[in-house]
Amino acid sequence: AQTVTQSQPEMSVQEAETVTLSCTYDTSENNYYLFWYKQPPSRQMILVIRQEAYKQQNATENRFSVNFQKAAKSFSLKISDSQLGDTAMYFCAFMKWGNTGNQFYFGTGTSLTVIP
Amino acid sequence: GAVVSQHPSRVICKSGTSVKIECRSLDFQATTMFWYRQFPKQSLMLMATSNEGSKATYEQGVEKDKFLINHASLTLSTLTVTSAHPEDSSFYICSAPAPGWYDTEAFFGQGTRLTVV
Repeated sequence: AQTVTQSQPEMSVQEAETVTLSCTYDTSENNYYLFWYKQPPSRQMILVIRQEAYKQQNATENRFSVNFQKAAKSFSLKISDSQLGDTAMYFCAFMKWGNTGNQFYFGTGTSLTVIP
Repeated sequence: GAVVSQHPSRVICKSGTSVKIECRSLDFQATTMFWYRQFPKQSLMLMATSNEGSKATYEQGVEKDKFLINHASLTLSTLTVTSAHPEDSSFYICSAPAPGWYDTEAFFGQGTRLTVV
């Protein structure tokens, strides 16, 4: 079974500062993907960044980057130059291919507040 | 990018009635769709996998007779909450995997907030 753990229920950061959200996972799979999704107050799930497990290089998307440590099964998200629009719930997710397509497993989420 | 449309976004119903929630893939075909339930400030819990042309696969603990899923076409899956009770009040989200065997993204609907009174 796959489990995803986010140990920080709530975090806050000053605008323009940097914040790191933690995520660990447990799996016996060798081929998988990891994601960070953002859920703003509108509740629409938005993909922030994705990482292929077979790639050693950490993924980056503008102000968002990850620190992927495969051996430690750790996948943290760093948000640089935080903006007010970054205020949202952030979910770490693990994806593997199942019989009916890709299957996602979500962490419990971290509520991030960017303070002006 | 691909879009998944979920309707309605909000619904209030009386206890004992049934409510249908629709999930449509607008510009791609989805043989599989996933239905999640999200309690306030909690994660998305997978309820069931909807399969076009066959029966849905339910997660352990999810009542099949209460949460009826129909995937009648390659672009539409419906979730019907039957004989709704206040404890069924929640936020329901559908998603569809991106087309293509090696495509890894999932597209989410806007969600439906169900309130049973």
